[in-house]
Amino acid sequence: SAVISQKPSRDICQRGTSLTIQCQVDSQVTMMFWYRQQPGQSLTLIATANQGSEATYESGFVIDKFPISRPNLTFSTLTVSNMSPEDSSIYLCSVTTGPYGYTFGSGTRLTVV
Amino acid sequence: LAKTTQPISMDSYEGQEVNITCSHNNIATNDYITWYQQFPSQGPRFIIQGYKTKVTNEVASLFIPADRKSSTLSLPRVSLSDTAVYYCLVGPLDSGTYKYIFGTGTRLKVLA
Repeated sequence: SAVISQKPSRDICQRGTSLTIQCQVDSQVTMMFWYRQQPGQSLTLIATANQGSEATYESGFVIDKFPISRPNLTFSTLTVSNMSPEDSSIYLCSVTTGPYGYTFGSGTRLTVV
Repeated sequence: LAKTTQPISMDSYEGQEVNITCSHNNIATNDYITWYQQFPSQGPRFIIQGYKTKVTNEVASLFIPADRKSSTLSLPRVSLSDTAVYYCLVGPLDSGTYKYIFGTGTRLKVLA
């Protein structure tokens, strides 16, 4: 399965600022997926990032708030813009390679103060 | 997109066998069932996957009845380190593009 490097692992940010999360995969993948996991909750899909095209956002998530870049087949970024305390969550990137469903990054724990 | 239903939480004692059942009534013909384990501050990780009947690996067993509308993850002789959240997901195999939707998961607490 793929190996994913996600960074930063954690950050504390001031409200109103933005944070960009990076996700690097050790192999080329068609799709990269970004999830949010609020404290004590399950994972919620934010968007799907396909190389060379605009990301596809799930209901409740918009590009202005969560812009995504996918410049090549091994890399993607998610930006959390104009942050508020409600954005405090763990953000995870993931890919599907091979027969075992998803491989996840280790996550970025974001705290907005 | 298949929807799954699991118990929210379970408690067990060390050394016991734990069975977590997942309901997926609208599973499609080409869907597989995959279970993930998530520890705090980590991303979910693959445990086991199956299509029908029984699958066993070094970590767990997965039981799937003939109608495939449910599945049971069996963890033999759990230890404290098995305390985690367990997610059941269904979807096609090796698609590379399938969007998995996570249910609530089952929060397993293993007690000494």
